[in-house]
Amino acid sequence: GDSVTQMEGPVTLSEEAFLTINCTYTATGYPSLFWYVQYPGEGLQLLLKATKADDKGSNKGFEATYRKETTSFHLEKGSVQVSDSAVYFCALYNYGQNFVFGPGTRLSVLP
Amino acid sequence: EAQVTQNPRYLITVTGKKLTVTCSQNMNHEYMSWYRQDPGLGLRQIYYSMNVEVTDKGDVPEGYKVSRKEKRNFPLILESPSPNQTSLYFCASSLRGTQYFGPGTRLLVL
Repeated sequence: GDSVTQMEGPVTLSEEAFLTINCTYTATGYPSLFWYVQYPGEGLQLLLKATKADDKGSNKGFEATYRKETTSFHLEKGSVQVSDSAVYFCALYNYGQNFVFGPGTRLSVLP
Repeated sequence: EAQVTQNPRYLITVTGKKLTVTCSQNMNHEYMSWYRQDPGLGLRQIYYSMNVEVTDKGDVPEGYKVSRKEKRNFPLILESPSPNQTSLYFCASSLRGTQYFGPGTRLLVL
């Protein structure tokens, strides 16, 4: 079945550092890809998404590009802030099937 | 305000005592689902529903039941809870692949 693999972390960075969280997937067809973020004590929120190959999703300074040739959807941010500390989940969805999430990557940003 | 609500938010129960966690959304979404979140295992889908009266098993359905009698509600039923069902549970509804999550229900089964 479909699956998502992402670096599990935890990842600890200093404020203003560059962030990359790797995500790769295995899926049939042409899934949509997502990054969700979970702040402490809260539910998951959509951060960004891409629905087809070469699409770039972006939001709040975060970006990810749907790379079909490498089956990847890596999350990047040029300059992280303390407020970005959270758990980040990569996920995919094929229409008519179930959603599949990666294990999550905990990010801690130190001032 | 568009939202997904879950009740209760916190629940402590004992093995074998049936319980129901309710989930409701006000966005008229057709797709709804239940997840459990466990340390080191991430988010795993329990059941999902594409529409009223249509439900399907996710990755970890054992020990759970669901029903979808109306579009807005998707309750999760544990007929005979066991300690391995202690977890954080999330309900979500979806439109065009984007999911909107409830605040979570933390369940402890003794």
